[in-house]
Amino acid sequence: QSALTQPASVSGSPGQSITISCTGTSSDVGGYNYVSWYQLHPGKAPKLMIYDVSNRPSGVSNRFSGSKSGNTASLTISGLQAEDEADYYCSSYTSSSTPYVFGAGTKVTVL
Amino acid sequence: EVQLVESGGGLVQPGGSLRLSCAASTFTLSSYKMHWVRQAPGRALEWVSYMSYSASTIYYADSVKGRFTISRDDAKNSLYLQMNSLRAEDTAIYYCAREAILYNFDYWGRGTLATVSS
Repeated sequence: QSALTQPASVSGSPGQSITISCTGTSSDVGGYNYVSWYQLHPGKAPKLMIYDVSNRPSGVSNRFSGSKSGNTASLTISGLQAEDEADYYCSSYTSSSTPYVFGAGTKVTVL
Repeated sequence: EVQLVESGGGLVQPGGSLRLSCAASTFTLSSYKMHWVRQAPGRALEWVSYMSYSASTIYYADSVKGRFTISRDDAKNSLYLQMNSLRAEDTAIYYCAREAILYNFDYWGRGTLATVSS
């Protein structure tokens, strides 16, 4: 069982905004600003979309943004496009025995 | 463009072994922290193993500790994962990933599929 809780699925129409939540504890999401988000398309290399809660790597569209409040981090995709349809995973540093933990993953569907 | 290419996956019987490789291009592996992450069919990503720049610090997930070994060949600019005593639950796509930003995986390979089945 994954340590970080994400909704199984989120959907939206083209042009809309959607938000994916990632809930942990004070030992991971809430305790550190080391939350990242990854986009997975089948057969392709996972792609880093957001790092350190809210920073976008070079080349990632500014339609993607991240935030955190307490033990919950969020990824918002604005102006939803067909190419955004993918699985999204959050990850956080954790003070537990294994220092890296992922969320359960969220399937984004563009209607 | 940073490239990571995994290889070595395949079908193996329970109790068997596989050695996965990850070849890096356009950057020097030994200058970065490197990881193996896996995704079982229909399951979430799971962090598996980590090696520091100097290779002096290594971590494993509890689920693979004692069975998997991470290593690196600097001359070949490649990362490896030796997987022994394989179980059905080790069936997954195995990705190597680079950690250039602290506690974030900035580049990943496309993965290699390891299937453990009789």
